Amino acid sequence: DSGVTQTPKHLITATGQRVTLRCSPRSGDLSVYWYQQSLDQGLQFLIQYYNGEERAKGNILERFSAQQFPDLHSELNLSSLELGDSALYFCASTDSTELLGNTIYFGEGSWLTVV
Amino acid sequence: DAKTTQPTSMDCAEGRAANLPCNHSTISGNEYVYWYRQIHSQGPQYIIHGLKNNETNEMASLIITEDRKSSTLILPHATLRDTAVYYCIVRVPSNDYKLSFGAGTTVTVRA
Repeated sequence: DSGVTQTPKHLITATGQRVTLRCSPRSGDLSVYWYQQSLDQGLQFLIQYYNGEERAKGNILERFSAQQFPDLHSELNLSSLELGDSALYFCASTDSTELLGNTIYFGEGSWLTVV
Repeated sequence: DAKTTQPTSMDCAEGRAANLPCNHSTISGNEYVYWYRQIHSQGPQYIIHGLKNNETNEMASLIITEDRKSSTLILPHATLRDTAVYYCIVRVPSNDYKLSFGAGTTVTVRA
């Protein structure tokens, strides 16, 4: 158990709909990351938040957005869903106050199926 | 971040050591080498990391060459549960700690 909690574990929704994925980081971790893993692609970095502020952006679509709340949990919002958005979405966290070379811990992911 | 090259796949016999190579010839002096693995559809799992010295923990050993252009992850006694995709990642220490995953090595441990 990495200590990173993601909900829901599985989600099936229709095209055009909107969903919210939730992530609770490890206790005390200030940074949260979101990754997407499709069947035919590797792990793709989407976005990073640090203590409530957006820190880095990767290949995140404009239809997707994220935020990190004062209690440090994060939500990834996916809207106008398309079939191609079906994927595993991982959240990860780390405490960036640790020494350089610290590790990033991943949750077990949220399976999103768009039908 | 430096680019890494790993074999696409490799097989290993159960109970034997598995040696996973990684080439990172363009690594810079302040980049760390990380290893993660992903067992089918689970979240990536941290294994080990190092800068220049060899490292060992309860999961594996990491051997980094003196010129730091390559490294080897050693699973000392592979079990069937070690079947996974193994990722070698190098990154520049900064406030941006995101990891860039390549294709990794698919390791299959056979009984």
